[in-house]
Amino acid sequence: DTEVTQTPKHLVMGMTNKKSLKCEQHMGHRAMYWYKQKAKKPPELMFVYSYEKLSINESVPSRFSPECPNSSLLNLHLHALQPEDSALYLCASSQDLSTSGTYTGELFFGEGSRLTVL
Amino acid sequence: SQKIEQNSEALNIQEGKTATLTCNYTNYSPAYLQWYRQDPGRGPVFLLLIRENEKEKRKERLKVTFDTTLKQSLFHITASQPADSATYLCALVRAAGNKLTFGGGTRVLVKP
Repeated sequence: DTEVTQTPKHLVMGMTNKKSLKCEQHMGHRAMYWYKQKAKKPPELMFVYSYEKLSINESVPSRFSPECPNSSLLNLHLHALQPEDSALYLCASSQDLSTSGTYTGELFFGEGSRLTVL
Repeated sequence: SQKIEQNSEALNIQEGKTATLTCNYTNYSPAYLQWYRQDPGRGPVFLLLIRENEKEKRKERLKVTFDTTLKQSLFHITASQPADSATYLCALVRAAGNKLTFGGGTRVLVKP
């Protein structure tokens, strides 16, 4: 079983809705990530948080708004999405590369939230 | 531009044989190269990490090589089993920052 928990597993929303995806980890990791994955494509990095601060934003549209309330939680707030935003959204966590002297490089992924935008 | 390329065609292999997957990269100076396995509808699972100063790593039936001159990594599954059928992703990490970038993945199908 994965140690990164994502909710909900499935989400269907209209283009005018506001919803949130949630991610939780209790491994003491200080780096957390959001990836987006379309069918038959690799995961694409969206955001990286390092010590609860946003460190990487891969030019993601503002209709996606990440939030890291504490070291264990990561949210992705969704608003005014488009049908092309339908995808599997993956959360991951890891040791922080910049500060961990024993960096193993391993990302722990959740099972993902399958988002459908109508 | 930076590219990480894996064989896009699926690899069909007979049970018991060795599967060899390739990961090539350009315009990149990775500190680490990683391999992940992903099953349909699930998140990727970490398999192996190899550092830029390492040539080879092994874990059970898995072997990874890393040639920074050729800018290539090879991933071997020896004595393959039907349960090894999945998509395998290589990923590169730079020395600075927590940025992991994936290649396109190669689907492996092991037939009994």
